Amino acid sequence: EVQLVESGGGLVQPGGSLRLSCAASGFTFSSYEINWVRQAPGKGLEWVSYVSGGGETTYYADSVKGRFTTSRDNAKNSLFLQMNSLRAEDTAAYYCARVNRGDQHFDYWGQGTLVTVSS
Amino acid sequence: DIQMTQSPSTLSASVGDRVTITCRASQSLSSRLAWYQQKPGKAPKLLIYKASSLESGVPSRFSGSGSGTEFTLTVSSLQPDDFATYYCQQYNTFWTFGQGTKVEIK
Repeated sequence: EVQLVESGGGLVQPGGSLRLSCAASGFTFSSYEINWVRQAPGKGLEWVSYVSGGGETTYYADSVKGRFTTSRDNAKNSLFLQMNSLRAEDTAAYYCARVNRGDQHFDYWGQGTLVTVSS
Repeated sequence: DIQMTQSPSTLSASVGDRVTITCRASQSLSSRLAWYQQKPGKAPKLLIYKASSLESGVPSRFSGSGSGTEFTLTVSSLQPDDFATYYCQQYNTFWTFGQGTKVEIK
């Protein structure tokens, strides 16, 4: 069974940093591209970042470019999102989502981890 | 950037109703569009991909159509479990979601 489990969320002050993790199981992790998607409370879904299967290629939404870094450790079946210079508008549930190999939609999602940026 | 516009934002319906949600893209997507269902406090769930392909395990009352810039999600007979928020997503150029359509009980 494919599973994605996020962790690392919590309360952080504006300007602070946080590192999210996404633990994968049930599939060959290194063969799949993964994305981060976030959802502010009561709002819609926003794509945040992409990482290729080998980790060599990354893309970011303009709203987080230069502040967030996504990486992966294929030996540990884990994905990471390093978030720096956090702002109140980064408050959201953060989901990792697997990219379908035959198409580019997201076929599996984690349950999400909540990040709250507040003083 | 590709913009996605869903309509309506909210839809009030009854069990058994046929409901249709529309998604328009700011440029052509071919058929690179997916639909997701999300319930409060839960992750989105894939319903439709490639505009009209039904994800395995999704009830056949859900269907998708369209290509280019205009797409629709139809629920042929709304069931109690279908009251949720629905999002379209383009994956032709990176990924962008529509703003969502909340289907609520009339």
